[in-house]
Amino acid sequence: GQQLNQSPQSMFIQEGEDVSMNCTSSSIFNTWLWYKQDPGEGPVLLIALYKAGELTSNGRLTAQFGITRKDSFLNISASIPSDVGIYFCAGQLTGGGSNYKLTFGKGTLLTVNP
Amino acid sequence: NAGVTQTPKFRILKIGQSMTLQCTQDMNHNYMYWYRQDPGMGLKLIYYSVGAGITDKGEVPNGYNVSRSTTEDFPLRLELAAPSQTSVYFCASNRRAGELFFGEGSRLTVL
Repeated sequence: GQQLNQSPQSMFIQEGEDVSMNCTSSSIFNTWLWYKQDPGEGPVLLIALYKAGELTSNGRLTAQFGITRKDSFLNISASIPSDVGIYFCAGQLTGGGSNYKLTFGKGTLLTVNP
Repeated sequence: NAGVTQTPKFRILKIGQSMTLQCTQDMNHNYMYWYRQDPGMGLKLIYYSVGAGITDKGEVPNGYNVSRSTTEDFPLRLELAAPSQTSVYFCASNRRAGELFFGEGSRLTVL
């Protein structure tokens, strides 16, 4: 089956630093999504990418859909304490014959030191 | 707008007991999913449904059953609970492609 490799597994940074994480896949996707999970909550969508090469921002967050359709990255600029949580990437195939299931990475645990 | 609602939020079971995790969504989504989340392992798909009356297995279906009698409800049944089923369970839904909406999770411990 499809697998996503998400890295790094965890990060411990100082407030104000920039953060970068990425996901790579052995197969192509035509949708990439990035979710954040706060402790004790369900994941919440941060950014959705629908086109190869697409670069999308949401406040301090920027994500890109790789040209090969096999990778994506998420950057967080000027981190703040509330950025703490687990970040998941997810890939999805859409279109004829696909079942629309999302494949998730194992997550990146981000800790921000005030 | 409640979104995806899961009950119970916490439950402790003894080995061999059975229970049902309830999931309801009020967004008229056709697609619904059950995931389990174990520390460091991400989200693994247990079962999913593309509409009322239609269900299919995900990556880790053993020990679970589902039904989808209505668009809104997608209960997950655990028969003969085992310690390996200790996990946090998330129900989710979407229209067809793109954004998945998650519930707040149900934390299950099997002792």
